[in-house]
Amino acid sequence: NAGVMQNPRHLVRRRGQEARLRCSPMKGHSHVYWYRQLPEEGLKFMVYLQKENIIDESGMPKERFSAEFPKEGPSILRIQQVVRGDSAAYFCASSTGQGAGTEAFFGQGTRLTVV
Amino acid sequence: GENVEQHPSTLSVQEGDSAVIKCTYSDSASNYFPWYKQELGKRPQLIIDIRSNVGEKKDQRIAVTLNKTAKHFSLHITETQPEDSAVYFCASPGNAGNMLTFGGGTRLMVKP
Repeated sequence: NAGVMQNPRHLVRRRGQEARLRCSPMKGHSHVYWYRQLPEEGLKFMVYLQKENIIDESGMPKERFSAEFPKEGPSILRIQQVVRGDSAAYFCASSTGQGAGTEAFFGQGTRLTVV
Repeated sequence: GENVEQHPSTLSVQEGDSAVIKCTYSDSASNYFPWYKQELGKRPQLIIDIRSNVGEKKDQRIAVTLNKTAKHFSLHITETQPEDSAVYFCASPGNAGNMLTFGGGTRLMVKP
């Protein structure tokens, strides 16, 4: 079991460009969660997805950010027209989602730097 | 939604001493309480968790206690070692079921 895989590990974008972050959940996991971590800060929830469905996006900024988890392939977090304030580590976690309170395992994260 | 408060934000102990980190949560429907350890530049890793049907769980040098009435849970690390130095996060799903809300983190420094 390869664990939760995120790519790229590091991403540099110029202001105004688009950033695409990918997350492949652990085998057997159908629930994916995206979190943002600013330097020296905690983990802020962004969005919770199941295959082809967004369950909760209450933590997503209303503009420029979107997420998907298609039937085939990884979950994608997309940030359009990036700004310096988007620079952060973006972590994806996955779980089986079976029953309330199941273990969530994190990927290595994508460190986005906006220059 | 769920609100999780974590204290202290930083904790410095001497090697061999014990460390205790406390969290409170707001949603009485929450029934699962994990703790994650995050070393510098790495992913958060689950180190121990507890469900609401028990009051305490132990795994070698780490233990977690839960007080559902008071809505707080604590992480206890005994005989601390320098490799325990990291940021520790508590979390709770509230009534969201699977989506975790994290505390603000505790930076633990173990001095040799």
